[in-house]
Formats: sequence, structure tokens, C-alpha cells
Amino acid sequence: AQKVTQAQTEISVVEKEDVTLDCVYETRDTTYYLFWYKQPPSGELVFLIRRNSFDEQNEISGRYSWNFQKSTSSFNFTITASQVVDSAVYFCALRGGQGAQKLVFGQGTRLTINP
Amino acid sequence: EPEVTQTPSHQVTQMGQEVILRCVPISNHLYFYWYRQILGQKVEFLVSFYNNEISEKSEIFDDQFSVERPDGSNFTLKIRSTKLEDSAMYFCASSDRGPTEAFFGQGTRLTVV
Repeated sequence: AQKVTQAQTEISVVEKEDVTLDCVYETRDTTYYLFWYKQPPSGELVFLIRRNSFDEQNEISGRYSWNFQKSTSSFNFTITASQVVDSAVYFCALRGGQGAQKLVFGQGTRLTINP
Repeated sequence: EPEVTQTPSHQVTQMGQEVILRCVPISNHLYFYWYRQILGQKVEFLVSFYNNEISEKSEIFDDQFSVERPDGSNFTLKIRSTKLEDSAMYFCASSDRGPTEAFFGQGTRLTVV
């Protein structure tokens, strides 16, 4: 069975602080895909990043960076110099290989950036 | 930028009534999905649809649920006899291939009273 755990249910920081959102996953598939989605207060789900299991290179996109560690089954997300607009619920998700199509989501981390 | 659109944004229905939630996926995508999110909880997979048939479904997707792609653009979710516990945000999503990222619509909030 596949499982995603986001142990941090809520995080609150002051603007300009760096913040890391943790994601730990479980899967028996040798090929799998990891994702992060953002759900702002308006409710939609916004795709942020996809990472394939065979590509452990970390990625940076502006203030966002992702750290994929296969050895610890983690795919953590860091926001540098946080801004109020980063306030949202962030979901980590996993899709297995072997033709699997469904996304398995974690419980989400509610991030609040205070001015 | 292409996007997934869902209608209506909010629907209130009486328990036992049938509802149809509608979605227009991104036009060149081949895989279509429905997910739901009960208020304050995680997003749960309901069903995936490819090549005009269901390719995967969860245990939530029982006989009360059905999906259809009635024409080349729409993708619908029907709940035959709604229950109070069906109240949730329903998200439609699409992707161009199985392993790639799914793009989600803005959701339909279904309230069963």
C-alpha cells in the first residue's frame, strides 16, 4: 500500500522566515512519482512540482526548493524568505508506477505566514 | 494557459437526490480523474478514466457513483442518491499521460442537506 505522511498539521511563521514542510512516503514500487500541490484559501489545487523516483536531483524554483532523499523516503519542501501570499495548505502526493494513475495525498500542512 | 473548468462551483441538494457534477478537462489530455475533499481533510481519489472507460477506482466509488464522457469535451460525475456524507469538495483533474502531473479544476462544493 502507498502512504504519504505530513506530520506537521500547522506551521505559523513570520514573513521573511524560511520554512520547511516535511513529507515522508511509503511505497513498494521501484518507480514512482512525487508531487507537491498548493491549496490557497480560494480552494483550488495548484500543481507545484513533480519528481520521478529515478531522479534524485534537488530542484530550486525561485524561493521554492525541494529536497528528495530516497534513503529516508522523504520529499521536503522549503520556502525561503516566506511571504504572506505563501499562506496555504500544502499537500504532498505520491503516484506509483506500473501504470498506476491515482494520486495518494498526505493530510496537508496548513502554512500561515504572518506579516 | 489551458485549465480545467468545473461547474457549478457550489451545489446544494436534498438527501436522496441525484446530482451531476461537470468538468471540462484540458483539451489534449487523455486521463481524467475525480477526487473529493471532505472539509478540512485530505484529498481522496475516486476514479480515473482513460480511453472511454474507468481505469482505476477507489472503494469510495461505489454503485452510487458513475462517470461519463458524453462528448469530446465534458467529463461528468453522477451521484445517484446523495447522502449527507457525500458533502465535500469534488475536484476534477486531467493529465496528458499517466505518470505526469494532474491539473485540477477549482472544485465543486457539494452540500447535501
